[in-house]
Formats: sequence, structure tokens, C-alpha cells
Amino acid sequence: GDSVTQMEGPVTLSEEAFLTINCTYTATGYPSLFWYVQYPGEGLQLLLKATKADDKGSNKGFEATYRKETTSFHLEKGSVQVSDSAVYFCALNKGGSNYKLTFGKGTLLTVNP
Amino acid sequence: EAQVTQNPRYLITVTGKKLTVTCSQNMNHEYMSWYRQDPGLGLRQIYYSMNVEVTDKGDVPEGYKVSRKEKRNFPLILESPSPNQTSLYFCASSFRGGSNTEAFFGQGTRLTVV
Repeated sequence: GDSVTQMEGPVTLSEEAFLTINCTYTATGYPSLFWYVQYPGEGLQLLLKATKADDKGSNKGFEATYRKETTSFHLEKGSVQVSDSAVYFCALNKGGSNYKLTFGKGTLLTVNP
Repeated sequence: EAQVTQNPRYLITVTGKKLTVTCSQNMNHEYMSWYRQDPGLGLRQIYYSMNVEVTDKGDVPEGYKVSRKEKRNFPLILESPSPNQTSLYFCASSFRGGSNTEAFFGQGTRLTVV
């Protein structure tokens, strides 16, 4: 079946450091790929998405490129802030009647001042 | 404000005592889902609904029931809760079922079954 594998962390960085969170997927067909973020005590919210190969999703300084050849969707940010501390989830969706998001296990990011 | 609202946010209950977690969305979305989040497992889909009176099982439906009598509401029912249902639950909704459609999540319900 479909699956998403992401580095589990936790990841601890200093403010202004470069961030990479790796995500790879296994799926048949042509899924859309997502990064969701969960701030402490809150639900998940969409951070960015890409719907086809070579698409780049970006938002709030975060970027991820849909790489079909390596089945990857790594999340990057050039300079993290304390406010970026959260849990990050990589996910895929192939559409269909159940609209099921298949999630990775999540990566806890802590950014220290 | 567009939102998905779950209640309660926190619940402690005893084994076997029926409970309902409510979920309501104000975006006129057709699709709604329930997920549970467990450490080391990420989020897994419990049930989903494509529209009023149309529901089906997700990956981990055992021990749960749902109903969709109105478009905006999608309650999760635990008829006889057990300790293995202790988890963080999220309701989600989306406008339609396309693969590129964004899902909107509620703030979560932390359930403890003792």
C-alpha cells in the first residue's frame, strides 16, 4: 500500500539555521504531496503542496519540490525562527472517493533563540 | 471565520461508557473524515464521509461509528470505549475529493479511556 517515510527527529536547531526534513513516499499512480504543520495545542494546517512532478510548493519561507525520480518531497527553509517550532507532517493523497491523506509519522522541530 | 470545530477538547472516560465527539464545519464541505494520531504512527483515517448519509470505513474503523445526517456535522461515536482507543482525534473536512484538495483540521480531542 501507499506509505510516507520522513525523518522522525526530534530536530533541534538554533535560530537562523538551515532546515531540511526528508520525506520519501511509495505510491502507485500520481499522488499530490503535502506538508502539514501542527503547532502546539492546535490542529494540522496546510503548509504547502505540490500536485505533479517537478512542482515546487512554497509558503512562509518553506519550500519543497516534488521529485518523482527519487519519490521525494523534502522540506527546506533557509533561516528558521523560534516561531517555526512545531511538528511537521509529510502526506500524500491520490484522490478518489475516500479522500484519504496518508501521513508520515511527523517530525518535531524545536528552534532555540 | 472558516473552521472545523470539535468538542470536547479533552475527555477522560471509563471503559465501556458510550461517548460522542462532535465535529462541525462551516465551509459547506462535502468530504469529512476522522483521524486518530498516536505516537510513532502519525495520523490514520478512521472513517470518512463523501456527503450526507454516505459514510465508509477508513484504515482503523474497529470500535467506532459515525453518522452524517447533516452536511456540516460528522460525529464520532465510541459505543464501548476501551483503553486502546486512548488517542488524539482529529476531524477534517475538504471541499471535494480531488487529490490536490486541501483538508482543514479541527483542533483535536484528546481522549483518555481508563
